Amino acid sequence: GAGVSQTPSNKVTEKGKYVELRCDPISGHTALYWYRQSLGQGPEFLIYFQGTGAADDSGLPNDRFFAVRPEGSVSTLKIQRTERGDSAVYLCASSPYEKETQYFGPGTRLLVL
Amino acid sequence: GNSVTQMEGPVTLSEEAFLTINCTYTATGYPSLFWYVQYPGEGLQLLLKATKADDKGSNKGFEATYRKETTSFLLEKGSVQVSDSAVYFCALKNSGAGSYQLTFGKGTKLSVIP
Repeated sequence: GAGVSQTPSNKVTEKGKYVELRCDPISGHTALYWYRQSLGQGPEFLIYFQGTGAADDSGLPNDRFFAVRPEGSVSTLKIQRTERGDSAVYLCASSPYEKETQYFGPGTRLLVL
Repeated sequence: GNSVTQMEGPVTLSEEAFLTINCTYTATGYPSLFWYVQYPGEGLQLLLKATKADDKGSNKGFEATYRKETTSFLLEKGSVQVSDSAVYFCALKNSGAGSYQLTFGKGTKLSVIP
């Protein structure tokens, strides 16, 4: 079956611009997670959704970052006033329930110039 | 808080050599432990996992045993292939209610040469 998909695969933007990153989880998975992977590092947790609600957004670095999942399926990570330090690979994962194995998408590589 | 430490890479091995990649962790309670693999140009894939002490996870010839006494999760493979070239990440997830975050190590890059 289809895995987690993320679009775009690559995004180049200029400092100060707004970007949206999309995640399509595996069908039927109620839990969805966003992670950020900087160069040479492991992924770091950003936010977790159970259904439509953000159950934990403690990993979001500041208020320029926001994520939604309005219908409990597709999620969008939104970054306002991008900074060069936001350049990273943004990973989305989903799982059937919160305690189950997380399946990762291919990521969106964001470059802020 | 939780943390995961992996051996520094990169690791370069000849085909059919024996692989070990160590991972140690700090966590509250009794976490589940994972090895994820990231092949070039691809996303993270779960390689194997162990959910309690002395459990052994295995997949594709790789094995790792959950050692609570040494807080370690050593990844091993008896004979590596060129196709095993990838970055390997150790990760943990706490057990109990509300535990869902994966905490990852920095990754170990493995290159296998013919």
